[in-house]
Amino acid sequence: SAVISQKPSRDICQRGTSLTIQCQVDSQVTMMFWYRQQPGQSLTLIATANQGSEATYESGFVIDKFPISRPNLTFSTLTVSNMSPEDSSIYLCSVEQYIGEQFFGPGTRLTVL
Amino acid sequence: EDQVTQSPEALRLQEGESSSLNCSYTVSGLRGLFWYRQDPGKGPEFLFTLYSAGEEKEKERLKATLTKKESFLHITAPKPEDSATYLCAVQALNSGGSNYKLTFGKGTLLTVNP
Repeated sequence: SAVISQKPSRDICQRGTSLTIQCQVDSQVTMMFWYRQQPGQSLTLIATANQGSEATYESGFVIDKFPISRPNLTFSTLTVSNMSPEDSSIYLCSVEQYIGEQFFGPGTRLTVL
Repeated sequence: EDQVTQSPEALRLQEGESSSLNCSYTVSGLRGLFWYRQDPGKGPEFLFTLYSAGEEKEKERLKATLTKKESFLHITAPKPEDSATYLCAVQALNSGGSNYKLTFGKGTLLTVNP
């Protein structure tokens, strides 16, 4: 399976600021995904990022709040913009390597004060 | 809207005490059902994919089964190292029909005491 790394692993930020999370994969993949995992809640898909096209956002998530870049087949970034305490969460990226099978990175734990 | 419900929310077992975790789902056009294990502070680790009712998969002490409405993760003679949160997810087309997406349940926190 693919090896996925995320940076930073955790951060504490002030409200109103933005944070960019990086996701690096050790092999080329077509589809990358960004999820949010809030305390006591299930993993929720934010968007799907395919290389060479605009990210597709799920209901309740918008590009202005969560802009995504996908410059090549091994890298993606998610920015959490104009943060508020409600954005405190774990953010995870994943890749689909075999049909339907997604493999996840270690996550970025974000705390917004 | 796709829905996944896992039960129980938490399960505490003694080492060697077998049990099952349940995942019930409603989805339009199921492509696959997935089980993941998640340890504290880590991302989910893929365990199994099930594609059709009647299918079973096994890995060490774990066996996953699938019906048209639910899936079970059976744990036989668990050990303390099996302690983790077990997540179930279904994959189907998103509302726009442009991509497949995973919808997760909230998970079952399994604790196995020595």
